Amino acid sequence: AQSVSQHNHHVILSEAASLELGCNYSYGGTVNLFWYVQYPGQHLQLLLKYFSGDPLVKGIKGFEAEFIKSKFSFNLRKPSVQWSDTAEYFCAVTLYSSASKIIFGSGTRLSIRP
Amino acid sequence: GAGVSQSPSNKVTEKGKDVELRCDPISGHTALYWYRQSLGQGLEFLIYFQGNSAPDKSGLPSDRFSAERTGGSVSTLTIQRTQQEDSAVYLCASSLGGGGASNEQFFGPGTRLTVL
Repeated sequence: AQSVSQHNHHVILSEAASLELGCNYSYGGTVNLFWYVQYPGQHLQLLLKYFSGDPLVKGIKGFEAEFIKSKFSFNLRKPSVQWSDTAEYFCAVTLYSSASKIIFGSGTRLSIRP
Repeated sequence: GAGVSQSPSNKVTEKGKDVELRCDPISGHTALYWYRQSLGQGLEFLIYFQGNSAPDKSGLPSDRFSAERTGGSVSTLTIQRTQQEDSAVYLCASSLGGGGASNEQFFGPGTRLTVL
């Protein structure tokens, strides 16, 4: 069965620190990959997405992610975080070949110290 | 409207009552999905519609949960005899319905259900 693992449950950083959140998925076929963000009290928003092509994907607010097929990984990065990045981040996967449900990771809560 | 809409935004009900949650997908999106987000379970899939049929109902947690979609558009999720563990945010998403980029799902704001 498909699954998504986010190894960091809670990350605490100071402003201007660099961020990397890990995501690994389990599925042998071709997938679409996503990172979603949920700011406190708000609904889910798409941060970035990968369907095909360049494995380095750039999203909103300075975030990027790199798809490494051999490692089944799609880690999220940001060179310098801001207090406003405090949120919960979800990695997610769907099948590439057809419409299908999203499998979400358990989420990583990011807290930024001002 | 431009995005997925859900109603009501908040629903408080008493244990044992039935509730209906509504989702209006983006116009032209053939695929519609229901998910829920709860403290203990994270984000979990409930059911997927392609047009009016539901090829994947594997996430419905019990037979108290059902959903329908009419006219290939609006969907209703019904929870019968609600229990306190049903308290969660119920999210609806829609997509164009194909593979690749057509599988990008757009989420509504959710319905927060509280069962007292």
